[in-house]
Amino acid sequence: EPEVTQTPSHQVTQMGQEVILRCVPISNHLYFYWYRQILGQKVEFLVSFYNNEISEKSEIFDDQFSVERPDGSNFTLKIRSTKLEDSAMYFCASSEAAGVTYGYTFGSGTRLTVV
Amino acid sequence: AQKITQTQPGMFVQEKEAVTLDCTYDTSDPSYGLFWYKQPSSGEMIFLIYQGSYDQQNATEGRYSLNFQKARKSANLVISASQLGDSAMYFCAMRGDTDKLIFGTGTRLQVFP
Repeated sequence: EPEVTQTPSHQVTQMGQEVILRCVPISNHLYFYWYRQILGQKVEFLVSFYNNEISEKSEIFDDQFSVERPDGSNFTLKIRSTKLEDSAMYFCASSEAAGVTYGYTFGSGTRLTVV
Repeated sequence: AQKITQTQPGMFVQEKEAVTLDCTYDTSDPSYGLFWYKQPSSGEMIFLIYQGSYDQQNATEGRYSLNFQKARKSANLVISASQLGDSAMYFCAMRGDTDKLIFGTGTRLQVFP
């Protein structure tokens, strides 16, 4: 079964450093997302991406965050200057299409720890 | 605005028994989809079951079924014949006219022998 692949599975970084989280969505999917889950809390929407541009972003997704699809397969989330409160599990997801009947396929997540 | 409410932070069930995890939602969108995901301790999000707002029948997938009551705006997940491997966090989520999936706060299910 096709899957969404995320790397790395764990990342530890120092406060103020830049991190790039990588994702390979399912090949025929057109919509891409990043979500985050602070430990023990709910899953929060960060950003959606379609046709090489951001289609929606949340209040969390401030200027420190950016997304990119540098080639035909990768989808990345960059945090420019990490803060302690960025420590969370970050999930990439993809969807074949927009519309209420289409679910997301999630990757296994990247656990980011900022020290 | 869309909202998902899961009022049970934790549930216990004995192996082989059935359990119902509650989910209520609020939306003004005429059509929407409701999803349940399982998150084991390893952290990944596993899709379990989907219910469309216009579906006449309740969704079923193996041991999972969704008790959809549109007038009450509820979409409860029923797990029949619980197994030890069902111990996990369960999230109800909704996708409406906006593209994003909105999640509830989750219910931690513990299955004991």
